[in-house]
Amino acid sequence: GAVVSQHPSWVICKSGTSVKIECRSLDFQATTMFWYRQFPKQSLMLMATSNEGSKATYEQGVEKDKFLINHASLTLSTLTVTSAHPEDSSFYICSADPYEQYFGPGTRLTVT
Amino acid sequence: EDQVTQSPEALRLQEGESSSLNCSYTVSGLRGLFWYRQDPGKGPEFLFTLYSAGEEKEKERLKATLTKKESFLHITAPKPEDSATYLCAVQAINSGNTPLVFGKGTRLSVIA
Repeated sequence: GAVVSQHPSWVICKSGTSVKIECRSLDFQATTMFWYRQFPKQSLMLMATSNEGSKATYEQGVEKDKFLINHASLTLSTLTVTSAHPEDSSFYICSADPYEQYFGPGTRLTVT
Repeated sequence: EDQVTQSPEALRLQEGESSSLNCSYTVSGLRGLFWYRQDPGKGPEFLFTLYSAGEEKEKERLKATLTKKESFLHITAPKPEDSATYLCAVQAINSGNTPLVFGKGTRLSVIA
């Protein structure tokens, strides 16, 4: 099956700093990638749809100025959490869709 | 609004005790229904996609079926290594790539 990677797998940052998370499709090209967040014992909630070469589409309630998404190539999308706060601590997961959606391993973000 | 409801929320089985997980859905037009397995701290692992009512797919001890209103994930003679959260998701028909709508999952525990 298709392989999606994420980096880093976990990160701890101080409140007020910014953190960048990378999502790569390793063996296919993805014009569209999706970003989800997952709180403990909760299901995945879609944050935004990332489209190569154009602006991301954000779900209702997700601040686009806080969660910056860049999809600069067909194999890479990045999510930057700006001015992170403790409530942003979560598990962030990306997926890419060649034919069926394959997920990355996730990034655990802890904001202290 | 597309919606997915999974039941039960949690299921505890003895090793070898077969059972089924349910996924009820409403969607404007179904492109596909997806089953994933998620282990703690990891991204969802793709299991199956079902596209039309009556379709069935199997993989080792797992078998997924689909009707117009629900899907079942049958687990035959489960083993402790089958313990995980099983997620169901639907994708609506659209002109472009559309994100998945997830249920809250069923946490399966298989006891030796």
